[in-house]
Amino acid sequence: DADVTQTPRNRITKTGKRIMLECSQTKGHDRMYWYRQDPGLGLRLIYYSFDVKDINKGEISDGYSVSRQAQAKFSLSLESAIPNQTALYFCATSDTRTPNQPQHFGDGTRLSIL
Amino acid sequence: SQQGEEDPQALSIQEGENATMNCSYKTSINNLQWYRQNSGRGLVHLILIRSNEREKHSGRLRVTLDTSKKSSSLLITASRAADTASYFCATELQGGSEKLVFGKGMKLTVNP
Repeated sequence: DADVTQTPRNRITKTGKRIMLECSQTKGHDRMYWYRQDPGLGLRLIYYSFDVKDINKGEISDGYSVSRQAQAKFSLSLESAIPNQTALYFCATSDTRTPNQPQHFGDGTRLSIL
Repeated sequence: SQQGEEDPQALSIQEGENATMNCSYKTSINNLQWYRQNSGRGLVHLILIRSNEREKHSGRLRVTLDTSKKSSSLLITASRAADTASYFCATELQGGSEKLVFGKGMKLTVNP
């Protein structure tokens, strides 16, 4: 979905490095999410944000932090990367002004930690 | 624990055949959603069915929901090679702040 843009698309880095993944959206949605996808495990929620002043932990938040800089921007940080954080990371948005709405995903960031 | 589980985990069919995927879940939901993921890409929303709906159609897609059995099925009719992808069901839990819980996904291969 071109309306949800993730950068970078691919990143290789070393253990212990700080990494930031960025997500921006042009859909005007209020909610933004970060997921992690591992083979055979589906998507797991890391953090989500209802608006700029609201940040919530998801299922697997340990080792991650987020920042909602604006309604359109939501970044994910790995303060000190470790190899088991190697995964495909997705940002998603949704519009909760009306109920029963789907989420819209970016194309993901493939992160490899050596 | 996993809320949604797709079945089968993998399915290989010939072009023109129908493909049926099933999803089971554990707790009460507001809605159930199906997504498709092409290799290396993000998830694309296919169809959403609310808890008070039993069946929904969108083009070649037909989704059913049985809340008494806590299960859903996705039928793709007259499949095409372009339908080859991974498919995920996701449930929006009641009282769950409108978060989605995804299944592990299933791989559909449509052979030309």
